[in-house]
Amino acid sequence: EAQVTQNPRYLITVTGKKLTVTCSQNMNHEYMSWYRQDPGLGLRQIYYSMNVEVTDKGDVPEGYKVSRKEKRNFPLILESPSPNQTSLYFCASRDPSRPNYGYTFGSGTRLTVV
Amino acid sequence: DAKTTQPPSMDCAEGRAANLPCNHSTISGNEYVYWYRQIHSQGPQYIIHGLKNNETNEMASLIITEDRKSSTLILPHATLRDTAVYYCIVRMDSSYKLIFGSGTRLLVRP
Repeated sequence: EAQVTQNPRYLITVTGKKLTVTCSQNMNHEYMSWYRQDPGLGLRQIYYSMNVEVTDKGDVPEGYKVSRKEKRNFPLILESPSPNQTSLYFCASRDPSRPNYGYTFGSGTRLTVV
Repeated sequence: DAKTTQPPSMDCAEGRAANLPCNHSTISGNEYVYWYRQIHSQGPQYIIHGLKNNETNEMASLIITEDRKSSTLILPHATLRDTAVYYCIVRMDSSYKLIFGSGTRLLVRP
């Protein structure tokens, strides 16, 4: 089944403890992206990647890092998480050779930083 | 990408058609209209998209006015599982970013 898989689904951590949220897609998509969703603010893009080793900032990149060493994986790294990064995170991918095709989103990761 | 305006909430009876409107009066000629939905806190799900012609797929129909300043997503026979937040998004073919607005919260009543 074509899908975007995020792990973990739920995570509670403490301020300052480095964490990584993984994202993997099995559709050979070149484009991948991370979003966060907060009440009243909607979904906002954090980082995106056009291809392997090509990443760029979205609208809210502060406090986050990403890497794209291989096409299928696009991990989101929080080097020193803070409570304001408590949010629901989504990874998405798309095939740019089919530009009108919709994005596929993962099931989400609910992160709580205490 | 053009801005969209949607009603914050709507409801319809199960089995009836749900018609969700979207205004995008500043849309430009090369921008597409996309619809996504988000059920509870799951990942957004692509529904349908169009440029100027009406479109239909297994999930829904999309009606775009001739001047392209508004559109309507139609769920022909709404079920309880269609209860979700529906997002209307306008973007260029070459743009990779999806800009989500507040959407319309659709409640399908039994």
